[in-house]
Amino acid sequence: GESVGLHLPTLSVQEGDNSIINCAYSNSASDYFIWYKQESGKGPQFIIDIRSNMDKRQGQRVTVLLNKTVKHLSLQIAATQPGDSAVYFCAENGYGGSQGNLIFGKGTKLSVKP
Amino acid sequence: KAGVTQTPRYLIKTRGQQVTLSCSPISGHRSVSWYQQTPGQGLQFLFEYFSETQRNKGNFPGRFSGRQFSNSRSEMNVSTLELGDSALYLCASSPTGTRDEKLFFGSGTQLSVL
Repeated sequence: GESVGLHLPTLSVQEGDNSIINCAYSNSASDYFIWYKQESGKGPQFIIDIRSNMDKRQGQRVTVLLNKTVKHLSLQIAATQPGDSAVYFCAENGYGGSQGNLIFGKGTKLSVKP
Repeated sequence: KAGVTQTPRYLIKTRGQQVTLSCSPISGHRSVSWYQQTPGQGLQFLFEYFSETQRNKGNFPGRFSGRQFSNSRSEMNVSTLELGDSALYLCASSPTGTRDEKLFFGSGTQLSVL
């Protein structure tokens, strides 16, 4: 079936470096994409979103890039900090009427070395 | 505003029992979604409610059910528990549940089935 997948299950970076987390999606009908961060013992926390009519969107220290040609999504974190250590999920809204059927990737665990 | 509140935080049940989990959405949010999170399957959509009506349902057996009350609070029920039902159950809310609305998640209920 169609699903969102992640290229790397783990990513280790040095504090201060930039991090790039990648995601591939396969549902052509998806027109809204979200990145979530999940820390241990907590629920997913919204980071940034992007609609399919955009290629790039920036937030505070984060940038999401969307390449619809190859169905690829990436999250860039600038100047990665220890507090960024978490599991990051991408999600797409798939198909169907209401939004309740977000499709999540398996997640990438980001570890930041001091 | 208070965030999404889920109770209880932890539950331990035995096979064959049933369980009810509760979720209070962010004030003003009328859409409530439920997700199951396991290490093997990741985050999987269970169902979504809006104005006391189930609008979407994921691919889970009929043992999983839910409901929403007039104040938007929601409960999900799992009957005849199986070992494989052990998971983190996450509730998320959004204002109207449209396709391009981000979800706000609670911290989840960790269910262990023995």
